[in-house]
Amino acid sequence: DGGITQSPKYLFRKEGQNVTLSCEQNLNHDAMYWYRQDPGQGLRLIYYSQIVNDFQKGDIAEGYSVSREKKESFPLTVTSAQKNPTAFYLCATQNRGTYYGYTFGSGTRLTVV
Amino acid sequence: AQSVTQLGSHVSVSEGALVLLRCNYSSSVPPYLFWYVQYPNQGLQLLLKYTSAATLVKGINGFEAEFKKSETSFHLTKPSAHMSDAAEYFCAVTPSGNTPLVFGKGTRLSVIA
Repeated sequence: DGGITQSPKYLFRKEGQNVTLSCEQNLNHDAMYWYRQDPGQGLRLIYYSQIVNDFQKGDIAEGYSVSREKKESFPLTVTSAQKNPTAFYLCATQNRGTYYGYTFGSGTRLTVV
Repeated sequence: AQSVTQLGSHVSVSEGALVLLRCNYSSSVPPYLFWYVQYPNQGLQLLLKYTSAATLVKGINGFEAEFKKSETSFHLTKPSAHMSDAAEYFCAVTPSGNTPLVFGKGTRLSVIA
C-alpha cells in the first residue's frame, strides 16, 4: 500500500541533543512538508521541499534543519538551538498534479526530558 | 498573504444535532480550500476540498461545505452528528499548488450522547 511512514512515533530528547525525525513516502509525490502542531496553535510550517535537493524555510524554521537527497525521504533534525521542541510533528506530501491536497503521516510526538 | 480563521476553538453538539464548524479565509486570488479531520495522536485526513468547481462540496462521512465568495467563508456542516464525529477539524487554504497550505487553529468537536 502506498503511504507515508513517520518514525519513531514517540521520541524523547535530552537538553542539548539533536534528534532526527524520519519521513518516508512511496506515493511518488514531488512535494513534502513538515508541520509542527501545538495545542490551540493549529499547524505551523517548518520546512518544505518541492523537488529533490531543494527546500524552503517555512514560518518557524529556526532551530530545525532538513535534507532532501531522495524523492522518497525528507528527514527533519531538531537541533539544540530549538528551545521549545516538545510538540507533535507531522509530515505531509503533495501530488501537485491533482487537487493540491496533502496526504499526512501519523506523526511523531517529541518530548524533552 | 493567506490566512484562515476558525470561529470557536471548541464546539459541542448533541448526537443527532446539526454540526456547523465555521471557517473564514483571506486570499488575494481565488483559493483552494480544504477541511481536514484529526483523531487523537493521528495525522490529518482529508474530508473535502474546493477547487473552483461546484460551490457546494460533498465529502466523506456525510460532511459538506459551501464556498461563499462574497462572505469569504467555507463552513463545514453535517445534518446529524454521530459520536464518531468527535475529533479536531482544520480548515486550510492555498492560492495555488505552488504555495504551502495555511491552516486554521482548529476546532475541537465534542458530541454528547
